[in-house]
Formats: sequence, structure tokens, C-alpha cells
Amino acid sequence: EVQLLESGGGLVQPGGSLRLSCAASGSTFSSYAMNWVRQAPGKGLEWVSAISGSGDNIYYADSVKGRFTISRDNSKNTLSLQMNSLRAEDTAVYYCAKASLWFGELMAQYYFEYWGQGTLVTVSS
Amino acid sequence: QSVLTQPPSVSGAPGQRVTISCTGRSSNIGAGFDVHWYQQLPGTAPKLLIYGNTNRPSGVPDRFSGSKSGTSASLAITGLQAEDEADYYCQSYDNSLRRVFGGGTKLTVL
Repeated sequence: EVQLLESGGGLVQPGGSLRLSCAASGSTFSSYAMNWVRQAPGKGLEWVSAISGSGDNIYYADSVKGRFTISRDNSKNTLSLQMNSLRAEDTAVYYCAKASLWFGELMAQYYFEYWGQGTLVTVSS
Repeated sequence: QSVLTQPPSVSGAPGQRVTISCTGRSSNIGAGFDVHWYQQLPGTAPKLLIYGNTNRPSGVPDRFSGSKSGTSASLAITGLQAEDEADYYCQSYDNSLRRVFGGGTKLTVL
């Protein structure tokens, strides 16, 4: 089993920056893809970004593309999310999630097998 | 507006069976992408409930089952228990390989 622990959340002004981290333990970190998923207060889940085990393949939701950067340090078992040009609508609990592969009929797809407890980001003046 | 459509709420009495639908379109579920389900108990992080349309991870009771047909998927819960009261989310992919979620369904156990 994998344990995930997010940190770095807090209050930031619109236009500001924040860096989230996710520390992983319990498995070989470099062998699996990781994701960030967020949840605005009282709202549903929104996928934010994904990164492959090697870090070579990266994907972003349209809502954060060009503002957020996902990265990982496999030597430190750490996933990061650099968030720039933050907006009020970025206010949410941010979860890191370990992705596992499902080999469907159409193609291999990832699902979110393990989740951290989340860290709250509040963008407000 | 979520890419996948779920009913905002469902309810049932203890012991009953409830189903939660997840409706997509030809660019996601209908394109052949599979569906996964998550349970979020109040105040906690989501937890994987069903993966690959029908598969339960170890530790998930067999009261929970999933199915998929055409552009939709369903989660069924039989023998409803008070501890099942939670929010449930479906998740799939779309043609641009974005991961997409449903808007979530709040299950109330009467």
C-alpha cells in the first residue's frame, strides 16, 4: 500500500504563487504515475494534472494549463505542483493520487488507486 | 458543468438497493473508455470503490457493483447500510486523454 502526504497549502492573494508537495512512501515511487485532483468547497472532484513515473509524460486540465507545473523527484519520493497566477477559482482542497493502470478493451487507462488527505489552497485578498 | 452526468442525490432505506448512474457521450464512455468509481465519506479523501467498470479492490464489500453499457455506467449498492452514506463519483477519460469526473452523487440512507 502507498501512503501519500500533501503539504504546502495556505492563503495566497490573487495573482500569487504557491508550491504544493506530496511525499510518498510504501512502494517504488518511480514505477507509477501520479496525479493532482482538486475539490472546490462544496463541489465535486476536478482532475488537474498527471505525470508519468519517469516524468517524461505530463498532462494538464485546460483550466490550469500554462499556470501550473507538475514535477516529481524520484530520488526523494516527492511530487510537486507549482501554481502561478492563482485565481479565486483555484481555491480548493488539492489531493495527490497514485495512478494505477487498467488495461481496457480500447486502451490502457489510469485510475486513482490511492489518495492523500489533501491540502487546502485559498486564493483571496 | 461536469463532463459526466450523475444525479445530484439518491436515497434509500437500510437494506434496500440503490443505483447511481453516470452518463457520458461518444467522446468519453461511448468511445470505449472505462469507468471507475470513488466513495468520499464526509470530511475525508476519496477512496477507490470500483475500477475497470466492474472490479472491486481488495476490502470493498461485494454489496458494491459496477456496470457499463453504451455511453453510461452504473454503480449499484445492495443491502444499504448507514455507513454507505457518502458522495460517489464516476471517472473516465475523454478523447483528448483528459481524466474526467462526474459531478458526484450524495447518497442518503434514510
